[in-house]
Amino acid sequence: GDSVTQMEGPVTLSEEAFLTINCTYTATGYPSLFWYVQYPGEGLQLLLKATKADDKGSNKGFEATYRKETTSFHLEKGSVQVSDSAVYFCALSDLASGTYKYIFGTGTRLKVLA
Amino acid sequence: GAGVSQSPSNKVTEKGKDVELRCDPISGHTALYWYRQSLGQGLEFLIYFQGNSAPDKSGLPSDRFSAERTGGSVSTLTIQRTQQEDSAVYLCASSFSLGQGDNEQFFGPGTRLTVL
Repeated sequence: GDSVTQMEGPVTLSEEAFLTINCTYTATGYPSLFWYVQYPGEGLQLLLKATKADDKGSNKGFEATYRKETTSFHLEKGSVQVSDSAVYFCALSDLASGTYKYIFGTGTRLKVLA
Repeated sequence: GAGVSQSPSNKVTEKGKDVELRCDPISGHTALYWYRQSLGQGLEFLIYFQGNSAPDKSGLPSDRFSAERTGGSVSTLTIQRTQQEDSAVYLCASSFSLGQGDNEQFFGPGTRLTVL
């Protein structure tokens, strides 16, 4: 079945460091891919998304490119801030397989130090 | 506009009691989802509604769990005879009807359930 594999955390970085959180997937069809963020004490918020191969999603300085050849959707940010400290979830929705639910990765906790 | 709302925000119950969790989706969203977020299990899908019908109940962990949706809007997740392993945050999400867009889901703040 469909699955999402996300790098284990926690990830601890200094402010202004470069961030990469790896995400790879397996799917029977051509899924839509998402990154959600959960700030401390808050609910899940969509960070960015991509619906087809080579699409790049971007928001708040974060970017991720849908790579079909490597089945990946890695999250990157060039310069993190303390306010980026949160848990990040990679997810897919594979409508072509009739599965409308999200399949989530395990989440990666990011801590950014001033 | 209003987002997805859930109630209660917190629920503490004793083992063996029944609980009901409520979700009010975004107006106009016909698809509704329940997920569970627990330590060690991450985010798990429970059930999906399209309108009032539930074409995918594959994530419900046992027959103690059930959900219904009436009027194509509000949904209730019921857990009977709660067990300690049911302790988790229960998240509800909604989206537009399938075939419209990319199935972006909008999440509520969750209900934190603690079973003593």
